[in-house]
Amino acid sequence: DTGVSQNPRHKITKRGQNVTFRCDPISEHNRLYWYRQTLGQGPEFLTYFQNEAQLEKSRLLSDRFSAERPKGSFSTLEIQRTEQGDSAMYLCASSATSGGAETQYFGPGTRLLVL
Amino acid sequence: AQSVTQPDIHITVSEGASLELRCNYSYGATPYLFWYVQSPGQGLQLLLKYFSGDTLVQGIKGFEAEFKRSQSSFNLRKPSVHWSDAAEYFCAVGRGSGTYKYIFGTGTRLKVLA
Repeated sequence: DTGVSQNPRHKITKRGQNVTFRCDPISEHNRLYWYRQTLGQGPEFLTYFQNEAQLEKSRLLSDRFSAERPKGSFSTLEIQRTEQGDSAMYLCASSATSGGAETQYFGPGTRLLVL
Repeated sequence: AQSVTQPDIHITVSEGASLELRCNYSYGATPYLFWYVQSPGQGLQLLLKYFSGDTLVQGIKGFEAEFKRSQSSFNLRKPSVHWSDAAEYFCAVGRGSGTYKYIFGTGTRLKVLA
C-alpha cells in the first residue's frame, strides 16, 4: 500500500522567490488536504480538494498561495514571492469519502526555509 | 469556536512507566477525534480514532484512548512506555457536514528516560 508522498522533502529558497510543492495522495482517495505546521505548533488547515474541485480555503491562504489538483490526482502548492514567515513544514493528507467518518492520512511533509 | 487543547507541552516519563496525554476539545456536535504521532522531521502517523460507539478505542503500538463526552476529553494512554515512543503527539478533531478539515492541538512532546 503506497502512502501519501510529497516532493521535495526539503526546500531552501531566498526571500522573493517562488516555490512549488507536489503531493501524490493514496491512489483511491478523492479528497486531498494541505496543512502548514510552524515550529512548536500543530498543523493548521490551508485548503482541500474533492477530486479536482477546491472546496475550502483558509484565511491563512493569502493571495501569494495557490493550490491546484488538475486531474483529481496529484496536487501542487505554489508560494509566490516567498517571505521569511512562510518558513514551515507543509503537510499533505488524503482521505476517501465515507459518509462523513473519514480518516486523513498524512505524507512526510515538505520543510521550507526562506532565507 | 472549535478548538483543541493539549495542556501539557512537555511530558517526561521513565521507560516502563504508564503514560496519559490529555486532550480537551470544544465542538458543537459530537466530534470525530484522532491522535497522531510525529517523529522529528517526519509527517503524522495515525495512532487511533473515535467516530462513535465504544468510548474506549484501541490503536497501534499499544495505545488506547477514552472519549468522555461529559468532560469533553479524549485522553491517550499507554500502560508501559518504550524508549521508541519519544515523539510529539497531536490530538485532532474533525467532523463532516460541510467541512472536513481537522483542527489540531499544539501537541505534547514526550521524552522517555532510560
